[in-house]
Amino acid sequence: GAVVSQHPSRVICKSGTSVKIECRSLDFQATTMFWYRQFPKQSLMLMATSNEGSKATYEQGVEKDKFLINHASLTLSTLTVTSAHPEDSSFYICSAQDGFNQPQHFGDGTRLSIL
Amino acid sequence: GIQVEQSPPDLILQEGANSTLRCIFSDSVNNLQWFHQNPWGQLINLFYIPSGTKQNGRLSATTVATERYSLLYISSSQTTDSGVYFCAVGYTGGFKTIFGAGTRLFVKA
Repeated sequence: GAVVSQHPSRVICKSGTSVKIECRSLDFQATTMFWYRQFPKQSLMLMATSNEGSKATYEQGVEKDKFLINHASLTLSTLTVTSAHPEDSSFYICSAQDGFNQPQHFGDGTRLSIL
Repeated sequence: GIQVEQSPPDLILQEGANSTLRCIFSDSVNNLQWFHQNPWGQLINLFYIPSGTKQNGRLSATTVATERYSLLYISSSQTTDSGVYFCAVGYTGGFKTIFGAGTRLFVKA
């Protein structure tokens, strides 16, 4: 149980393109979803926290207009990187949680490369 | 905010050896998880262990919340254990999880 599906696994696109990443909880309801970014050989850095039906809470330094997060249902959250540039290239990982103080379950990540 | 420190930062083992990975945190926590990130980037959930001791095969973990540390034990290491091990905590003052910097493990055949 507790499977989180993240798609796509890899994206390569031109500068200026907007990219949407989906995160789905397949067998549980995710009251909260988290989006992380990971640079090579570094730890995961939390970008934002989203609760179903409400606006996401962004961490300091993360541009809300750049990284649009939608958590429209208890099983789906999306991250859209708008007008992506090479510096947005990174590994993006989502996680889902069914209730406060419950384990987080992670998707397999999306490797984004902007040319 | 809470600080999470992991040690050692890097570890090289001969296959079959045992090891202990450490995680210390600066404030009270509501939950704690250990993850293994494999070379493909996948995060594997090893333990959800806000307190106490758990075992799963060759791996076990102990968290002493009152003393603000957790330990991950790997016994009879295998080459497939290679990767990065992260400790992540959810702290009392917030509703988010903070990751340590990780321990990068390489197991030689």
